[in-house]
Amino acid sequence: DTAVSQTPKYLVTQMGNDKSIKCEQNLGHDTMYWYKQDSKKFLKIMFSYNNKELIINETVPNRFSPKSPDKAHLNLHINSLELGDSAVYFCASSRRDLNTYEQYFGPGTRLTVT
Amino acid sequence: QKEVEQNSGPLSVPEGAIASLNCTYSDRGSQSFFWYRQYSGKSPELIMSIYSNGDKEDGRFTAQLNKASQYVSLLIRDSQPSDSATYLCAVNTNNFNKFYFGSGTKLNVKP
Repeated sequence: DTAVSQTPKYLVTQMGNDKSIKCEQNLGHDTMYWYKQDSKKFLKIMFSYNNKELIINETVPNRFSPKSPDKAHLNLHINSLELGDSAVYFCASSRRDLNTYEQYFGPGTRLTVT
Repeated sequence: QKEVEQNSGPLSVPEGAIASLNCTYSDRGSQSFFWYRQYSGKSPELIMSIYSNGDKEDGRFTAQLNKASQYVSLLIRDSQPSDSATYLCAVNTNNFNKFYFGSGTKLNVKP
């Protein structure tokens, strides 16, 4: 059983295009996250949603727009892709109500912008 | 100053030895601390969480937390080649939904 899944796994696209990444979790968690991991392997939080409500919005260009249709899904839409957007994007989820905040990660989406 | 700092390594240890990985954090109000293992090309995998001062053991892994020194460590006993990976330290601050990750320490366990 897949706990946190992401699609697509790989995404190759040209500058200026718009693309979306989807994430789903079947863990019953109430909080979901998007992270970006750059070529130096540094993992940085981008957004966090709790029960469909945006609670963290880091300094991310407004070309990036997250959307949570329900607490099991979190999507990321990126407009006007730039070379610097090339990275691995990870979705994660956790249970806020347990006060433990252990996060579980999806397999990642490797985005390459050419 | 970065919120979470780790030595990037690589840390090389022989098979069967104890690997010691260290992490310091800047926010004194941090509440929760985590160690993740990330194999090359894979996603981070949670291996340990610790919330109070002292030691927490789980199999071959021991996490140590010292909030006064703002220091977290991970000990891996009887290291195996399969433990070779990058280990990420993560800290959850007073803003309980905000996590900061260190840049990771690469561990090589030599047979």
